[in-house]
Amino acid sequence: DARVTQTPRHKVTEMGQEVTMRCQPILGHNTVFWYRQTMMQGLELLAYFRNRAPLDDSGMPKDRFSAEMPDATLATLKIQPSEPRDSAVYFCASGQGHQPQHFGDGTRLSIL
Amino acid sequence: SQQGEEDPQALSIQEGENATMNCSYKTSINNLQWYRQNSGRGLVHLILIRSNEREKHSGRLRVTLDTSKKSSSLLITASRAADTASYFCATAPGDKAGTALIFGKGTTLSVSS
Repeated sequence: DARVTQTPRHKVTEMGQEVTMRCQPILGHNTVFWYRQTMMQGLELLAYFRNRAPLDDSGMPKDRFSAEMPDATLATLKIQPSEPRDSAVYFCASGQGHQPQHFGDGTRLSIL
Repeated sequence: SQQGEEDPQALSIQEGENATMNCSYKTSINNLQWYRQNSGRGLVHLILIRSNEREKHSGRLRVTLDTSKKSSSLLITASRAADTASYFCATAPGDKAGTALIFGKGTTLSVSS
Protein backbone atom coordinates (compact mmCIF):
# COMPACT_ATOMS: atom_id res chain seq x y z
CA ASP A 1 0.00 0.00 0.00
CA ALA A 2 1.29 3.47 -0.89
CA ARG A 3 1.69 5.70 2.11
CA VAL A 4 2.76 9.16 3.17
CA THR A 5 6.05 9.09 5.05
CA GLN A 6 6.96 11.68 7.64
CA THR A 7 10.28 12.17 9.39
CA PRO A 8 11.19 12.42 12.15
CA ARG A 9 8.39 10.72 14.09
CA HIS A 10 9.43 12.42 17.29
CA LYS A 11 11.45 15.57 17.96
CA VAL A 12 12.39 17.14 21.27
CA THR A 13 14.40 20.33 21.23
CA GLU A 14 14.92 23.53 23.14
CA MET A 15 13.18 26.75 22.33
CA GLY A 16 15.00 28.90 19.83
CA GLN A 17 16.25 25.93 17.82
CA GLU A 18 15.37 25.36 14.19
CA VAL A 19 13.07 22.42 13.48
CA THR A 20 12.66 20.80 10.08
CA MET A 21 9.96 18.26 9.37
CA ARG A 22 9.88 16.28 6.13
CA CYS A 23 7.15 14.56 4.19
CA GLN A 24 7.23 12.21 1.23
CA PRO A 25 3.79 12.29 -0.39
CA ILE A 26 2.28 9.40 -2.27
CA LEU A 27 3.65 9.18 -5.80
CA GLY A 28 1.20 10.72 -8.24
CA HIS A 29 -0.60 12.88 -5.70
CA ASN A 30 -0.47 16.52 -6.77
CA THR A 31 -1.69 18.16 -3.55
CA VAL A 32 0.18 18.19 -0.24
CA PHE A 33 -1.21 19.49 3.03
CA TRP A 34 0.36 20.36 6.37
CA TYR A 35 -1.85 20.17 9.47
CA ARG A 36 -1.14 20.71 13.14
CA GLN A 37 -3.02 18.86 15.89
CA THR A 38 -3.28 19.98 19.49
CA MET A 39 -5.69 19.07 22.25
CA MET A 40 -7.00 22.63 22.47
CA GLN A 41 -7.36 23.50 18.80
CA GLY A 42 -7.80 20.11 17.19
CA LEU A 43 -6.62 19.75 13.58
CA GLU A 44 -5.69 22.99 11.89
CA LEU A 45 -4.53 23.54 8.35
CA LEU A 46 -1.17 25.27 8.14
CA ALA A 47 -0.51 25.26 4.40
CA TYR A 48 -1.04 23.33 1.21
CA PHE A 49 0.52 22.97 -2.20
CA ARG A 50 -0.74 21.89 -5.58
CA ASN A 51 1.75 20.80 -8.20
CA ARG A 52 4.43 22.12 -5.80
CA ALA A 53 3.02 25.67 -5.82
CA PRO A 54 1.76 27.08 -2.50
CA LEU A 55 -2.00 27.65 -2.59
CA ASP A 56 -2.74 28.65 0.95
CA ASP A 57 -0.45 29.27 3.89
CA SER A 58 -2.76 31.53 5.85
CA GLY A 59 -2.73 29.12 8.79
CA MET A 60 0.99 29.50 9.38
CA PRO A 61 2.66 32.10 11.59
CA LYS A 62 4.67 33.73 8.81
CA ASP A 63 7.42 35.10 10.99
CA ARG A 64 8.65 31.70 12.11
CA PHE A 65 7.12 29.01 9.89
CA SER A 66 7.96 28.22 6.31
CA ALA A 67 6.80 25.44 4.01
CA GLU A 68 8.35 24.37 0.72
CA MET A 69 8.27 21.63 -1.87
CA PRO A 70 11.77 21.37 -3.32
CA ASP A 71 10.53 18.60 -5.61
CA ALA A 72 7.47 16.41 -6.10
CA THR A 73 8.72 13.79 -3.65
CA LEU A 74 9.54 16.08 -0.73
CA ALA A 75 7.68 18.66 1.30
CA THR A 76 9.29 20.44 4.24
CA LEU A 77 7.96 22.45 7.14
CA LYS A 78 10.44 24.56 9.09
CA ILE A 79 10.09 26.44 12.34
CA GLN A 80 12.76 29.01 13.20
CA PRO A 81 12.99 29.96 15.99
CA SER A 82 10.85 27.37 17.74
CA GLU A 83 8.75 28.22 20.80
CA PRO A 84 7.08 26.02 23.44
CA ARG A 85 3.64 26.87 21.99
CA ASP A 86 4.70 25.11 18.78
CA SER A 87 4.56 21.77 20.61
CA ALA A 88 2.03 19.65 18.74
CA VAL A 89 1.71 16.79 16.30
CA TYR A 90 2.31 17.90 12.73
CA PHE A 91 0.68 15.89 9.96
CA CYS A 92 1.34 15.82 6.27
CA ALA A 93 -1.33 14.55 3.92
CA SER A 94 -1.45 14.13 0.17
CA GLY A 95 -4.28 13.80 -2.30
CA GLN A 96 -5.35 14.01 -5.92
CA GLY A 97 -8.42 15.81 -7.20
CA HIS A 98 -11.58 14.97 -5.24
CA GLN A 99 -10.04 11.82 -3.79
CA PRO A 100 -9.69 11.51 0.00
CA GLN A 101 -6.52 12.67 1.63
CA HIS A 102 -3.92 10.20 2.84
CA PHE A 103 -2.20 11.10 6.07
CA GLY A 104 1.24 10.29 7.40
CA ASP A 105 1.70 9.22 11.02
CA GLY A 106 2.86 12.67 12.03
CA THR A 107 5.82 14.28 13.74
CA ARG A 108 5.32 14.69 17.48
CA LEU A 109 7.18 17.88 18.35
CA SER A 110 8.06 18.99 21.87
CA ILE A 111 9.73 22.35 22.42
CA LEU A 112 11.20 22.71 25.90
CA SER B 1 -11.31 27.75 12.48
CA GLN B 2 -13.40 24.63 13.06
CA GLN B 3 -16.14 23.97 10.54
CA GLY B 4 -17.45 20.72 11.91
CA GLU B 5 -18.43 19.96 15.46
CA GLU B 6 -18.82 16.36 16.53
CA ASP B 7 -21.19 15.16 19.16
CA PRO B 8 -20.68 13.51 21.58
CA GLN B 9 -17.09 14.34 22.46
CA ALA B 10 -16.67 10.90 24.02
CA LEU B 11 -18.62 7.66 23.76
CA SER B 12 -18.16 4.40 25.67
CA ILE B 13 -19.98 1.25 24.59
CA GLN B 14 -19.75 -2.52 24.82
CA GLU B 15 -18.70 -4.76 21.98
CA GLY B 16 -21.61 -5.62 19.75
CA GLU B 17 -23.45 -2.37 20.38
CA ASN B 18 -23.93 0.32 17.77
CA ALA B 19 -22.15 3.66 17.98
CA THR B 20 -23.58 6.84 16.54
CA MET B 21 -21.63 10.04 16.13
CA ASN B 22 -22.97 13.31 14.83
CA CYS B 23 -21.36 16.19 13.04
CA SER B 24 -22.61 19.68 12.33
CA TYR B 25 -21.02 22.16 9.98
CA LYS B 26 -21.50 25.78 9.04
CA THR B 27 -21.05 26.51 5.35
CA SER B 28 -21.95 24.92 2.03
CA ILE B 29 -19.92 21.88 1.13
CA ASN B 30 -18.86 19.79 -1.84
CA ASN B 31 -18.57 16.66 0.26
CA LEU B 32 -18.23 15.48 3.84
CA GLN B 33 -15.75 12.85 4.94
CA TRP B 34 -15.23 10.76 8.04
CA TYR B 35 -11.79 9.78 9.27
CA ARG B 36 -10.56 7.55 12.05
CA GLN B 37 -7.46 8.14 14.13
CA ASN B 38 -5.93 5.45 16.29
CA SER B 39 -3.76 6.60 19.17
CA GLY B 40 -0.38 7.84 17.97
CA ARG B 41 -1.25 7.41 14.31
CA GLY B 42 -2.38 9.52 11.40
CA LEU B 43 -5.93 9.85 10.18
CA VAL B 44 -7.38 7.13 8.00
CA HIS B 45 -10.16 7.88 5.56
CA LEU B 46 -13.36 5.91 6.18
CA ILE B 47 -16.06 7.20 3.89
CA LEU B 48 -16.97 10.17 1.72
CA ILE B 49 -20.49 11.39 1.05
CA ARG B 50 -21.19 14.00 -1.59
CA SER B 51 -23.51 16.93 -1.06
CA ASN B 52 -26.13 15.41 -3.38
CA GLU B 53 -26.18 12.10 -1.51
CA ARG B 54 -28.27 11.39 1.57
CA GLU B 55 -26.95 8.05 2.76
CA LYS B 56 -23.96 5.84 2.11
CA HIS B 57 -22.85 2.46 3.39
CA SER B 58 -19.47 0.81 3.65
CA GLY B 59 -19.28 -2.47 5.53
CA ARG B 60 -20.39 -1.77 9.11
CA LEU B 61 -20.44 1.97 8.51
CA ARG B 62 -23.47 4.01 7.58
CA VAL B 63 -23.26 7.74 6.96
CA THR B 64 -26.15 10.11 6.49
CA LEU B 65 -26.06 13.70 5.32
CA ASP B 66 -28.73 16.34 5.76
CA THR B 67 -27.62 19.48 3.93
CA SER B 68 -30.71 21.42 5.02
CA LYS B 69 -29.66 20.95 8.63
CA LYS B 70 -25.94 21.01 7.83
CA SER B 71 -25.44 17.79 9.73
CA SER B 72 -24.15 14.28 9.24
CA SER B 73 -24.09 11.13 11.30
CA LEU B 74 -21.78 8.12 11.34
CA LEU B 75 -23.19 4.82 12.56
CA ILE B 76 -20.88 1.92 13.34
CA THR B 77 -22.87 -1.28 13.75
CA ALA B 78 -21.84 -4.29 15.82
CA SER B 79 -18.84 -2.48 17.24
CA ARG B 80 -15.58 -4.25 18.05
CA ALA B 81 -12.75 -3.43 20.44
CA ALA B 82 -10.67 -2.58 17.36
CA ASP B 83 -13.07 0.28 16.59
CA THR B 84 -11.68 2.14 19.62
CA ALA B 85 -10.33 5.38 18.14
CA SER B 86 -11.14 9.02 17.56
CA TYR B 87 -13.50 9.80 14.70
CA PHE B 88 -13.47 13.09 12.82
CA CYS B 89 -15.78 14.59 10.28
CA ALA B 90 -14.22 16.85 7.70
CA THR B 91 -15.84 19.08 5.15
CA ALA B 92 -14.60 20.10 1.75
CA PRO B 93 -16.01 23.54 1.02
CA GLY B 94 -16.98 24.81 -2.39
CA ASP B 95 -16.65 23.17 -5.76
CA LYS B 96 -12.92 23.07 -6.29
CA ALA B 97 -11.23 19.70 -6.23
CA GLY B 98 -8.47 19.05 -3.75
CA THR B 99 -9.18 21.88 -1.37
CA ALA B 100 -8.09 21.66 2.22
CA LEU B 101 -10.46 19.88 4.59
CA ILE B 102 -11.86 21.51 7.68
CA PHE B 103 -11.96 19.11 10.59
CA GLY B 104 -14.09 18.95 13.69
CA LYS B 105 -12.57 18.17 17.07
CA GLY B 106 -13.62 14.56 16.97
CA THR B 107 -15.48 11.95 18.97
CA THR B 108 -13.42 9.56 21.07
CA LEU B 109 -14.97 6.11 20.93
CA SER B 110 -14.09 3.44 23.45
CA VAL B 111 -15.37 -0.09 22.85
CA SER B 112 -14.88 -2.52 25.70
CA SER B 113 -15.06 -6.29 25.44
